[in-house]
Formats: sequence, structure tokens, C-alpha cells
Amino acid sequence: DADVTQTPRNRITKTGKRIMLECSQTKGHDRMYWYRQDPGLGLQLIYYSFDVKDINKGEISDGYSVSRQAQAKFSLSLESAIPNQTALYFCATSDQRGPGTGELFFGEGSRLTVL
Amino acid sequence: DQQVKQNSPSLSVQEGRISILNCDYTNSMFDYFLWYKKYPAEGPTFLISISSIKDKNEDGRFTVFLNKSAKHLSLHIVPSQPGDSAVYFCAVMIYNQGGKLIFGQGTELSVKP
Repeated sequence: DADVTQTPRNRITKTGKRIMLECSQTKGHDRMYWYRQDPGLGLQLIYYSFDVKDINKGEISDGYSVSRQAQAKFSLSLESAIPNQTALYFCATSDQRGPGTGELFFGEGSRLTVL
Repeated sequence: DQQVKQNSPSLSVQEGRISILNCDYTNSMFDYFLWYKKYPAEGPTFLISISSIKDKNEDGRFTVFLNKSAKHLSLHIVPSQPGDSAVYFCAVMIYNQGGKLIFGQGTELSVKP
């Protein structure tokens, strides 16, 4: 089983609909992240959370919200989806409690298409 | 304005030859640098990293070079193998700010038999 699990893996929706992407991890890491990947733009940070009570905006947070329900769960919501939010979304975790490497562990991605 | 740039979207190399992937960054405050590899339908996976106190780090066939004065990072793969065909992302961070990585756009490497 994957250490970082994302659901759904694929989703097609319509403009204006509310969408939630879920992420759960079994690595025991404190830190969780949501990234989106667009062709030619690499991975851009949407939101990140260093623990359950700490949530921070990333580079491209407009139009998104998050919820850290537990150490192991971090959800990304699109309140009213628009076509330019069509992208591949990745959840990631890291453990930075001690001297860390900055290494992130990624899920397999959730492909979202907004029509 | 992009803080991390990988100017080559794609690279094609013959099996057994060297692959060189390049990455430039703009902010001299970045002090930790990583490379990730991504296969289709999978998430990126960590490959190799280097801190700013070094100029080279080696792990098997993979070597990362850092030129701080030029703000330039490169990944060398020697010898290249068909299984190395993937998208490679460089990523940078300020170490004391924790795991906030900034990624480049990626370079798609194709290693031909």
C-alpha cells in the first residue's frame, strides 16, 4: 500500500461545482503539502501544513482551501471549480523534526478536469 | 517571476552516454538543492540533494554539481539507461524554512537504446 494516498485519482467536473481532493498518509510525518502540476510550469505549492493547527498559503492559494483533519489527513477543496484549475494535483509529506533533507514524499496524484 | 528555471523542456540521449540536466535559480538565499524524478502516472520521487556547503554530491550513477557563484545546479547521469527516461525536476529551498520547496519546470529525459 502507498504511504501517501490520494483520492480520487481522476475526476471530471463542471464549472462551479465544489470538489474535494483527499490525502492520507501512513508515514507519521507532521508536514503535509498540496502541489499542482501544469505543463511547462512544474510543481507549484498551493497550501502547506506543518502540524494540525498550522496551515499556510503557498504560491497559488487563490480559489483553494484546505483542511487538516488529523496528522494523517489533509484535504484540498475547490469551492467553485473553474476550467483553469484543470491540472494534476499532488499531496506530499515530509518530516522536519530534526536536521532534515527537505525530502518530500509524494502521492500518485489526482487528475482533475474542469469542463 | 520564476525563481527556478530549467530551460530545456526535453533532452534525448543515447544509452550509455552522459545525461546532463541543468537548473538555474535567482535567489542566493537558497541553500539546499534537490532533484526529483517523475515517471508517468506516478508522483515525483527524491533522487539526490546537495547543500550549499558542498559543490558536488555523488550517488552511484547520479552526481549533482552546484555552482553558487553562477546560481547553477546540474545533474549528471553516467551511464544513462533507458529506465532513466522520466521527467526530472530540480527544487530549491532555504533550509531553515523547512520543507517549502520551489520547483523548476522539469526536463523530460529520453534515453534511447
